[in-house]
Amino acid sequence: DAMVIQNPRYQVTQFGKPVTLSCSQTLNHNVMYWYQQKSSQAPKLLFHYYDKDFNNEADTPDNFQSRRPNTSFCFLDIRSPGLGDAAMYLCATSRDRGSYEQYFGPGTRLTVT
Amino acid sequence: GNSVTQMEGPVTLSEEAFLTINCTYTATGYPSLFWYVQYPGEGLQLLLKATKADDKGSNKGFEATYRKETTSFHLEKGSVQVSDSAVYFCALSGGETSGSRLTFGEGTQLTVNP
Repeated sequence: DAMVIQNPRYQVTQFGKPVTLSCSQTLNHNVMYWYQQKSSQAPKLLFHYYDKDFNNEADTPDNFQSRRPNTSFCFLDIRSPGLGDAAMYLCATSRDRGSYEQYFGPGTRLTVT
Repeated sequence: GNSVTQMEGPVTLSEEAFLTINCTYTATGYPSLFWYVQYPGEGLQLLLKATKADDKGSNKGFEATYRKETTSFHLEKGSVQVSDSAVYFCALSGGETSGSRLTFGEGTQLTVNP
């Protein structure tokens, strides 16, 4: 089935140790998103790619970076994780910009020790 | 800017009860409206959608109607099951200022008891 895949599902990292989360999609969608979600709150958009065009949210900390080497893959890099960065990280895709639904992956639960 | 307001939770119901989760929105232009469901430890799943006024989205017994006159998109189900226990998010995208950004409501935790 076409889908959004996130690896790993669970990630443990140490305070200050860089970590990378990955997302892949088989939907061939143009847009890929990264969200942070804490404690069943609404997901908070960090940034998105429209094709290769990177769009950062104004309040996303510089500690968070992203790469999209091709249509299928997108990575979230946390350069120096703090305890406050422990959360569920959700990747999503949509066919294009505008009023299209987004399809979410299962998420990666990040723990910072 | 755009905003979505959901009824405050949590909501606890007995199996086979009727469910309503209220959702109202503020947006310019003509947004699309969505309900997403999130089961424990999982990502969000699209439950249903409506893209224009008076559209009714439906899936798995859930329904919601896009009401532009009342700026609402209330979620309903006639008979809930234990397996419907989850967090439900109302969301919108599009309109004049949103672009492809999803604006979420706060989420409503639903617990269905046998």
